[in-house]
Amino acid sequence: ETGVTQSPTHLIKTRGQQVTLRCSSQSGHNTVSWYQQALGQGPQFIFQYYREEENGRGNFPPRFSGLQFPNYSSELNVNALELDDSALYLCASSFDFAGGEEQFFGPGTRLTVL
Amino acid sequence: SQQGEEDPQALSIQEGENATMNCSYKTSINNLQWYRQNSGRGLVHLILIRSNEREKHSGRLRVTLDTSKKSSSLLITASRAADTASYFCATDAKRDDKIIFGKGTRLHILP
Repeated sequence: ETGVTQSPTHLIKTRGQQVTLRCSSQSGHNTVSWYQQALGQGPQFIFQYYREEENGRGNFPPRFSGLQFPNYSSELNVNALELDDSALYLCASSFDFAGGEEQFFGPGTRLTVL
Repeated sequence: SQQGEEDPQALSIQEGENATMNCSYKTSINNLQWYRQNSGRGLVHLILIRSNEREKHSGRLRVTLDTSKKSSSLLITASRAADTASYFCATDAKRDDKIIFGKGTRLHILP
């Protein structure tokens, strides 16, 4: 176990709805990255937060947004859900935002959009 | 888009044999990492190799990096049933420091 927790474990939504996923970082980590993993694919980088500020973003539309709180926990919000948003959403925490730091992944939230 | 491409996509070997997976990437990197994922769960970090390193070992794992060919390999020696998982390489591109994963190799260890 990495010490990174995510909630909920599973979630079912319908098209057009909004969803909020949560992540608690490993103690002492100030950076959180979010990834989307479609079935049979590798994780795709959504965005990263460092000390409560967005620190980079992948090729995802603005309806994917996030927050990082003073305790370094984080939220991923997705508006206007589409069928293709169905995936495993992973968060990963690290001590710093530099790529050379090991990332510790949570178990993921599996989102199904009907 | 995905920078790393693992090869093969799937691999089945007998328990006790060695498993080799390869990763190719496109742009200059700071480092390359290998991760393991069991059955669609969270990823587990296995090993990180920096761009100025050529080989690294960790237990039964051996990773090589050839920056001139933009490729890396992961060798798992004396495979065990518990090694059955998907293995991903992830590169940290110099241009933006963001980590990009490949599509993975699905490894199945046969008893």
